[in-house]
Amino acid sequence: GAGVSQTPSNKVTEKGKYVELRCDPISGHTALYWYRQSLGQGPEFLIYFQGTGAADDSGLPNDRFFAVRPEGSVSTLKIQRTERGDSAVYLCASSLGQGMNTEAFFGQGTRLTVV
Amino acid sequence: QKEVEQDPGPLSVPEGAIVSLNCTYSNSAFQYFMWYRQYSRKGPELLMYTYSSGNKEDGRFTAQVDKSSKYISLFIRDSQPSDSATYLCAMGKVGFQKLVFGTGTRLLVSP
Repeated sequence: GAGVSQTPSNKVTEKGKYVELRCDPISGHTALYWYRQSLGQGPEFLIYFQGTGAADDSGLPNDRFFAVRPEGSVSTLKIQRTERGDSAVYLCASSLGQGMNTEAFFGQGTRLTVV
Repeated sequence: QKEVEQDPGPLSVPEGAIVSLNCTYSNSAFQYFMWYRQYSRKGPELLMYTYSSGNKEDGRFTAQVDKSSKYISLFIRDSQPSDSATYLCAMGKVGFQKLVFGTGTRLLVSP
């Protein structure tokens, strides 16, 4: 595809359930980022991958959150035992690399609602 | 105190006005400064980015960075109704890695 694709667009889940959010980066992009955007706020960094490995996961709020990128392309953000406070838009971005001038392109996000 | 402060607005202007959007920050380690535009229910779209201090112009948009004051600005000339969106400033220490965003300023340009 031409851009970063995130699925699903919307996800409603019950408190305590497990959810997976998927990100398909732009083809050839080796760097991938996850951000979370709460209502009325700017995006907040969660984790970034360079290839298959998590280069920086310092933004993950707690151990209920985990992300993988097993083949260096598609990434999945996994949230266990969801809480109402996890409700937000989860944004994924990708870039050609981690160099200084490699622009990160964002997907449209997955809107997660925990009820 | 947040690392990046941005007035949430809304900022309402008539079509054709010059718009000034601003952010302040506290972390002197930031070297890269970005402005993103975000339409409702869409992902952020990069408008401009600058490295260190100085000005950068692209069409109707001008970005300014004053590192001594820890203050960045985005100016929009001849604003159009299609410019109505939320404008997010973002900053990084190393390129686009681990950006820190402001809350965003909602801009409304009326015809």
